[in-house]
Amino acid sequence: DTEVTQTPKHLVMGMTNKKSLKCEQHMGHRAMYWYKQKAKKPPELMFVYSYEKLSINESVPSRFSPECPNSSLLNLHLHALQPEDSALYLCASSRGTGGIYEQYFGPGTRLTVT
Amino acid sequence: GQQVMQIPQYQHVQEGEDFTTYCNSSTTLSNIQWYKQRPGGHPVFLIQLVKSGEVKKQKRLTFQFGEAKKNSSLHITATQTTDVGTYFCAGGSGGSNYKLTFGKGTLLTVNP
Repeated sequence: DTEVTQTPKHLVMGMTNKKSLKCEQHMGHRAMYWYKQKAKKPPELMFVYSYEKLSINESVPSRFSPECPNSSLLNLHLHALQPEDSALYLCASSRGTGGIYEQYFGPGTRLTVT
Repeated sequence: GQQVMQIPQYQHVQEGEDFTTYCNSSTTLSNIQWYKQRPGGHPVFLIQLVKSGEVKKQKRLTFQFGEAKKNSSLHITATQTTDVGTYFCAGGSGGSNYKLTFGKGTLLTVNP
């Protein structure tokens, strides 16, 4: 199984809402990532988890809060978002960090903030 | 911080023509990865290059990593309509806080 799943596929939320994005992989990967991708732009790294511990936070605003409950799951909690946060949110995983591992991306959650 | 430049931004070709996209990094890379993203899809890993001067082939695709490990290219021979998509290079920073920095991508469209 080389699949990363993400739910929901689409999400529309108001600026006062609280919602969560979910990501799951069953490949035994020990590194998991959140990326944000705007239209016609490359994926932009937000967070990296290595062995369930947050190892990189790319100065992401606190309205985005990641969580890694176990080695297969990754959540992104959203609160008080702004319209400019509307984007495709991609989860990815790899066997490890350190550079030699390919990343497997999920299909993404398309988020619209109204 | 590390920057990875990728050109061209767009390329439109007739089916059967060749296509090349180029990446240049401001710093020496530990490795470079290439991904393809179809319209409406997500990035899919194509290949990784690690060694200076490395060349790898996958059917009609040829990937090169420069001798100084600061540049890379992807060449597609005789494009097909199935090659349509955005091709991203992603450079690895190395070190304990390793991360990939993506180039802006090249959108390839193919006229049948």
